[in-house]
Amino acid sequence: DIVMTQTPFALSITPGQPASISCKSSQSLLYTNGKTYLHWYLQKAGQPPQLLIYEVSNRFSGVPDRFSGSGSGTDFTLQISRVEAEDVGIYYCMQSVQVPRTFGQGTKLEIK
Amino acid sequence: QVQLQESGPGLLKPSQTLSLTCTVSGASISSDSYSWSWIRQPAGKGLEWIGRIFIGGTTNYNPSLRSRVTISGDTSKNRFSLKLNSVTAADTAVYYCARNHYDSSGSVYAFDVWGPGTMVTVSS
Repeated sequence: DIVMTQTPFALSITPGQPASISCKSSQSLLYTNGKTYLHWYLQKAGQPPQLLIYEVSNRFSGVPDRFSGSGSGTDFTLQISRVEAEDVGIYYCMQSVQVPRTFGQGTKLEIK
Repeated sequence: QVQLQESGPGLLKPSQTLSLTCTVSGASISSDSYSWSWIRQPAGKGLEWIGRIFIGGTTNYNPSLRSRVTISGDTSKNRFSLKLNSVTAADTAVYYCARNHYDSSGSVYAFDVWGPGTMVTVSS
């Protein structure tokens, strides 16, 4: 299985400040078609996860442009340019280059 | 608007079989643009992918659960199901169903739609 490792475990950010979450995979997530299957989710309290970013850097429909993703191979980053109160929750990265799909352990974002 | 809804018993005894159904509205489970997955989350913990089905017939399971899991589809009712045999307390979790959406360029909108989840507790 591909192991996904996120850092940090938790973040406490002042509104308006940036935030960054790292995700590292134990194997490359680059597929033979040239696409890299790394995705980011936000799970708010009491809700299922919601897709934020697909394939490293593509914002899903309706996701604010303060969210951005970058990276390649085994190292990836989710950035929030200016954190807002509604961004609180747990962020997960996930790989879909290989079965079984595997998730990072999550990064909890709270507001100062 | 695509919606998924899980249903099934919320309380099981050890050794029983967990049976859940995910009813899909707003999209056809028969479409080859989609696959359909089950994912679970123990309270306060992370997400574990259980397995998926392509309605054309292909299934894939997490090796950690493969010996106990079956995912099947019912195109007539536009729903798919999860069966997990011989449950223990370790299977206590919120169970989600979710859609994977593939487009013609090879892009994957991974788990772009989720059900609200259903809590399953295994206790004697």
